[in-house]
Amino acid sequence: NAGVTQTPKFQVLKTGQSMTLQCAQDMNHEYMSWYRQDPGMGLRLIHYSVGAGITDQGEVPNGYNVSRSTTEDFPLRLLSAAPSQTSVYFCASSRGTAAYEQYFGPGTRLTVT
Amino acid sequence: AQSVTQPDIHITVSEGASLELRCNYSYGATPYLFWYVQSPGQGLQLLLKYFSGDTLVQGIKGFEAEFKRSQSSFNLRKPSVHWSDAAEYFCAVGTTDSWGKFQFGAGTQVVVTP
Repeated sequence: NAGVTQTPKFQVLKTGQSMTLQCAQDMNHEYMSWYRQDPGMGLRLIHYSVGAGITDQGEVPNGYNVSRSTTEDFPLRLLSAAPSQTSVYFCASSRGTAAYEQYFGPGTRLTVT
Repeated sequence: AQSVTQPDIHITVSEGASLELRCNYSYGATPYLFWYVQSPGQGLQLLLKYFSGDTLVQGIKGFEAEFKRSQSSFNLRKPSVHWSDAAEYFCAVGTTDSWGKFQFGAGTQVVVTP
């Protein structure tokens, strides 16, 4: 049982490049989410999914796309990277409603130059 | 919409001293409340959670938190801190009308001195 895994751990992009951050969980959780963490701002929700085929926007969705084709995977796509997207990205999963604990991946540190 | 405030950005405490981290929330009904800890370079780990019932909840690593509805607070405490408690602590709120969406506070960085 690996929990929530994220790849890569570190990434450097040039402005305008695209990439996909991978997230997978093996706990059969319905709910998955992406956060970004910036100093002094805590974690801000980018996108979330309440099940395969269902996604919705969080607090800071601009510049990011997601899809959820399977229960296990929830990739985050940066279409055209900008320096403002330099951050640490965390993927999380939970059994569902707000009453349940979220399990976090180890994070991806992204730098956009 | 719900919101979470952690008034203290940074706290320094001596090893063996007590620790209290403040968390205030804004929400019309009783929220689901969580405290998470993040060690350097790591993801977040759940310390404890409150849903209903006893307002004093016990968590892992010797932490406890008390829900006070009248003050809209959910403060985290530990009677005697250890050097390994140095980390960043996040309060989070989940609500029944925002299925699966959580609001996190900005975090409190705890430094433990010898």
